Order: sequence, then structure tokens, then C-alpha cells
Amino acid sequence: AQTVTQSQPEMSVQEAETVTLSCTYDTSESDYYLFWYKQPPSRQMILVIRQEAYKQQNATENRFSVNFQKAAKSFSLKISDSQLGDAAMYFCAYRSASSGGSNYKLTFGKGTLLTVNP
Amino acid sequence: SQTIHQWPATLVQPVGSPLSLECTVEGTSNPNLYWYRQAAGRGLQLLFYSVGIGQISSEVPQNLSASRPQDRQFILSSKKLLLSDSGFYLCAWTRDGFSPLHFGNGTRLTVT
Repeated sequence: AQTVTQSQPEMSVQEAETVTLSCTYDTSESDYYLFWYKQPPSRQMILVIRQEAYKQQNATENRFSVNFQKAAKSFSLKISDSQLGDAAMYFCAYRSASSGGSNYKLTFGKGTLLTVNP
Repeated sequence: SQTIHQWPATLVQPVGSPLSLECTVEGTSNPNLYWYRQAAGRGLQLLFYSVGIGQISSEVPQNLSASRPQDRQFILSSKKLLLSDSGFYLCAWTRDGFSPLHFGNGTRLTVT
């Protein structure tokens, strides 16, 4: 079974600075997808960014980018120019690329609580 | 556009009482549906998923059950709630393996 580990329960960053959240995963599969979700105090789960394992290029969405190291099974999230609205719980998630509804499920890490200091 | 509705938003129930949480998806057909639970300070645990009407798969044996009576309706139930059932319950859907999971706003359940 796949597992996702987020080793940083909490992180803090100064407004306008850059912060990197870590995520590692364990899988025997070669094709899969990785996601970062954000959960603000409202508890709504919001997709931040996703990465296909077969793509070597790291995904980028505005101020959010990932460092995907497939061999190391590492998928970190970098937030540049941090804003107060970035304060939230961030979850890393894994999905197998195999077809079928059972494999569309996401396996989540336990999350990293990010605080942004003004 | 597709939307997902989940209700109620908040629920306080005594131990031993029944539970019914409902989730519906609009704007798509034959979605893959999921129930997740988030305990305080912890990640999301998959409880059930469904790939079609009447098809339910359980990930964790427990006091809860799920049903999918209609294509876009997913229900989480319990006959008798336990204190350990307290938590934040999230319904989610996806179209296929490439698409992300789209979540409802969640239900905060407190069992007293």
C-alpha cells in the first residue's frame, strides 16, 4: 500500500518570504499522480497543484511550485512571496495512475500547518 | 459546471443515535464518489468509495456504512453512533484518474 509522509507538522514563514513544505511517499508503481491541497480555517479542501509522475518538468502554478524527485520519492511544495492568505493546513496526496475507480482514490499525508507572520 | 453539495454542515448527536450524511453532485454523470474522515489534527482517512450506483467499497471496517441510491447521491450512515465517530467528514468526487478530487464543504460531527 502506498504511504505519504509529511515530516513537518508545523511551519512558519514571514510574509513575502519563501517556504518549502516537504513530502515523501512510498510506492512500487512507476506511474502515478501527486497533489498538494490546501485547507484554510474554513476547512474547504482546495487543490493547489498537481504533478504527473511521467513528467520530468516540475509543475508551477503562480507562486506555487514543486520539486519532484522521482528517484527519491520526494514531492516538496515551494510557496514564494508568501501571503497572509496562504496560512492553512497543506496536505500532500498520492494517486495511482491505474484505471478503475478504486485507484482514483487519494492517499493523504497528515498535513503541515503553515503560519504566515506579518 | 460541476458542484458538490454536502449537508448538514454541523451536527451534534448523542451516543447510540443514528446518523445520515448526504452528498450530491451536480453537472456530471457517473462520478466516482468518496467519503473521507478527518480526525482532529490528523490527515484524511478514506472510509468508502463508489464507482457506480449500488457499488460501495469499504476501506476501513467500522461502525459506519455508505450507500449510493442514485447516480449522483452518496449517503453515509450509522445505526448507532460511538464517541469515536466524532470528526470532520468530507465527501468528494472525481471524473477520472487524471482529474483532482473535488470536495464538499464538509460536515463537523460531534458525538456527545
